[in-house]
Amino acid sequence: EADIYQTPRYLVIGTGKKITLECSQTMGHDKMYWYQQDPGMELHLIHYSYGVNSTEKGDLSSESTVSRIRTEHFPLTLESARPSHTSQYLCASSVHGRNTEAFFGQGTRLTVV
Amino acid sequence: DAKTTQPNSMESNEEEPVHLPCNHSTISGTDYIHWYRQLPSQGPEYVIHGLTSNVNNRMASLAIAEDRKSSTLILHRATLRDAAVYYCILWGGGGADGLTFGKGTHLIIQP
Repeated sequence: EADIYQTPRYLVIGTGKKITLECSQTMGHDKMYWYQQDPGMELHLIHYSYGVNSTEKGDLSSESTVSRIRTEHFPLTLESARPSHTSQYLCASSVHGRNTEAFFGQGTRLTVV
Repeated sequence: DAKTTQPNSMESNEEEPVHLPCNHSTISGTDYIHWYRQLPSQGPEYVIHGLTSNVNNRMASLAIAEDRKSSTLILHRATLRDAAVYYCILWGGGGADGLTFGKGTHLIIQP
């Protein structure tokens, strides 16, 4: 069973609010990722990190920001939520390299009204 | 980034083997072939991965063509719980350093 947790699972929030989506893993993985997935569509990588104090932009441009102050924690922040940010956000982690598996959280389904 | 091509959907019967194909004709020598699946309302789940040789684990088998331009995920005995979207992904050295998901194959299992 994967030890990666996302909170909240569901969030409905008003336009203009600042939000932070939490992601934590207890596997000691250095590499962490954030993906965005609209209903019925594919996942898009929006951020990733190689370790503490490392953050990189993914394939899809996003108005969100991330931070990595602790190995186990990789929060995603939207400074001013808009309806266009409505989506599912999925966090994942892995060890370094491509000869490995990534573990995904259950996701946060965000609705901005 | 090297891309993959998968059928949009496939249907199979319960307790029968399922062969999910994937074409990746532009694969490079350092690209690993990964398979993930996503059940409804859940995050993706790792299935299997390989580089050149065929691979087996408790969930599935991965058959990789000799020229590596295609691969097949084999579920040996499908159950209703295997109904999901299956993604074939090349994880290589180009672009952002993460899994790049396509549209995948929607696998339907008939009882």
